[in-house]
Amino acid sequence: DVKVTQSSRYLVKRTGEKVFLECVQDMDHENMFWYRQDPGLGLRLIYFSYDVKMKEKGDIPEGYSVSREKKERFSLILESASTNQTSMYLCASNRQGGNQPQHFGDGTRLSIL
Amino acid sequence: AQSVAQPEDQVNVAEGNPLTVKCTYSVSGNPYLFWYVQYPNRGLQFLLKYITGDNLVKGSYGFEAEFNKSQTSFHLKKPSALVSDSALYFCAVRDGSSGNTPLVFGKGTRLSVIA
Repeated sequence: DVKVTQSSRYLVKRTGEKVFLECVQDMDHENMFWYRQDPGLGLRLIYFSYDVKMKEKGDIPEGYSVSREKKERFSLILESASTNQTSMYLCASNRQGGNQPQHFGDGTRLSIL
Repeated sequence: AQSVAQPEDQVNVAEGNPLTVKCTYSVSGNPYLFWYVQYPNRGLQFLLKYITGDNLVKGSYGFEAEFNKSQTSFHLKKPSALVSDSALYFCAVRDGSSGNTPLVFGKGTRLSVIA
């Protein structure tokens, strides 16, 4: 089975802090994604990556950056956390190819105080 | 542009009755369609997909989905609902002609199965 692991299930940080969310997948997938999930808004794509050191902006990249130094790891960075970034963050990965489903981690519920 | 609509925020069904969760899509090419389920405080779990071939697709936990090209729909169905099916369900689409692009998700439908 595909395993996508997010380093923290719950995280509480303060406004202005730099926050790192880590995601690791164990299936040698080329593609990795970061979403945030908010009630009534569904899943919104923040950033994605098709390969090491590559990144593409999603629908809502403002206030975020990403890093992919190794194929299995994709990090989401909140440069200066703000209260409107309080959300559930979901990482996903899939094998390259249009017919491949994305596989998700269990999410990180992030609260910014 | 690709898009997905889930017209119902909430679906209530009695245990043992058939359930349907609706999804319509819009793509310019051939659609690749997916259904996911999310239980409380968990990530999304893949249920099934339609790529090509038979319009009726079977997936995990007894779920199936019917692809209807003329109505641009991909409704999720189950013949007999269980209380444990209560969860949030997401439909997603990818345009088959666009290659390796992220899935586009609907806003989700909350299913409540009442005993």
